[in-house]
Amino acid sequence: AQSVTQLDSHVSVSEGTPVLLRCNYSSSYSPSLFWYVQHPNKGLQLLLKYTSAATLVKGINGFEAEFKKSETSFHLTKPSAHMSDAAEYFCVVRPGNFNKFYFGSGTKLNVKP
Amino acid sequence: DARVTQTPRHKVTEMGQEVTMRCQPILGHNTVFWYRQTMMQGLELLAYFRNRAPLDDSGMPKDRFSAEMPDATLATLKIQPSEPRDSAVYFCASGFRQGSNYEQYFGPGTRLTVT
Repeated sequence: AQSVTQLDSHVSVSEGTPVLLRCNYSSSYSPSLFWYVQHPNKGLQLLLKYTSAATLVKGINGFEAEFKKSETSFHLTKPSAHMSDAAEYFCVVRPGNFNKFYFGSGTKLNVKP
Repeated sequence: DARVTQTPRHKVTEMGQEVTMRCQPILGHNTVFWYRQTMMQGLELLAYFRNRAPLDDSGMPKDRFSAEMPDATLATLKIQPSEPRDSAVYFCASGFRQGSNYEQYFGPGTRLTVT
């Protein structure tokens, strides 16, 4: 079975402090993994992706994620949060050669001044 | 900068009316997805196409929803008749499937309100 679990529905951090958004996945096949960001009233934008190359993936806007197969995790991090990072973040898995993508339920990131 | 476009961006209609949403995928992309996003259900996959052929539409209420790709530059999602519970944001996404290098690019969405 394929699934994605985002462990926190809401995360609140202060500007300038680190961000950690957690994602665990279940996949019967070697997965491709993605993080998307959605700002209010906007579409989803691809932040970064893992497709079986380097396990530490760097994305846009200073975000990065590490694929840990033993933990079936793909957590998203950023060293220092900016006010403009406030948005909803979705972890996504595509198992093996599947055509479909499986979305997590999203994590809303709030950044306090 | 290639983008997925969707029209209309906003639609308000009365219950029972037909609604047609359009999507222009990124040129050269061979897969198209339709999603619906609501506060209660989050993001739901309605249907997707590869090389214009429907591969899976199990997420759609078949009695009222239909999805088609008349050509490679246009995908449509129709609701007939519309109901208030169809109120949501509908996203189209496209991608180019080749080996493992495959991701989706989303359009800005159509915000549908059915009164």
